[in-house]
Amino acid sequence: DVKVTQSSRYLVKRTGEKVFLECVQDMDHENMFWYRQDPGLGLRLIYFSYDVKMKEKGDIPEGYSVSREKKERFSLILESASTNQTSMYLCASSLSVNYEQYFGPGTRLTVT
Amino acid sequence: DAKTTQPTSMDCAEGRAANLPCNHSTISGNEYVYWYRQIHSQGPQYIIHGLKNNETNEMASLIITEDRKSSTLILPHATLRDTAVYYCIVRSDNYGQNFVFGPGTRLSVLP
Repeated sequence: DVKVTQSSRYLVKRTGEKVFLECVQDMDHENMFWYRQDPGLGLRLIYFSYDVKMKEKGDIPEGYSVSREKKERFSLILESASTNQTSMYLCASSLSVNYEQYFGPGTRLTVT
Repeated sequence: DAKTTQPTSMDCAEGRAANLPCNHSTISGNEYVYWYRQIHSQGPQYIIHGLKNNETNEMASLIITEDRKSSTLILPHATLRDTAVYYCIVRSDNYGQNFVFGPGTRLSVLP
């Protein structure tokens, strides 16, 4: 079974803090994705990566950056957290860009 | 990407088959139909996908009409743990096409 894990289920941070969300997959997948999910807005793609050290912007990259130094790990960074970044953050991976994506359990981030 | 239309909510009795419909009348020839579900406070879970033939796996069956304008996800023997939001997504196999999750169908399996 594909396993995608995320570093925290719940996280509370203060405005202006730097936040790291980590995602690890154990299936040697090439592609990894970061989404955020908000009520009424569905899932929105923030960034994705199709190879180590490669990244592409999704639909809402502003205020976020990512890092992929190893194939199995994809980090989402909020350089200076703001209250409008309070959300559920979901990581996903897929074998190839055209294949189905497998999601992690999500991190519910609250910025106060 | 083609858009999909699903009922907002459905109920199903435990042990019975759950049939979840999806309309995708503008689907293109290279677009697949995917189904995911999301149990409360968890990440979406991949269920099944297909292009034009019916598909079955250990979780569900996917029936796609001959004109491909609609499909049905079938959970053969629904359990309480199948209570979730079910998303029908249409996506092509072109590079860069990502999953667009709509509001989905909230399935409640009742005891």
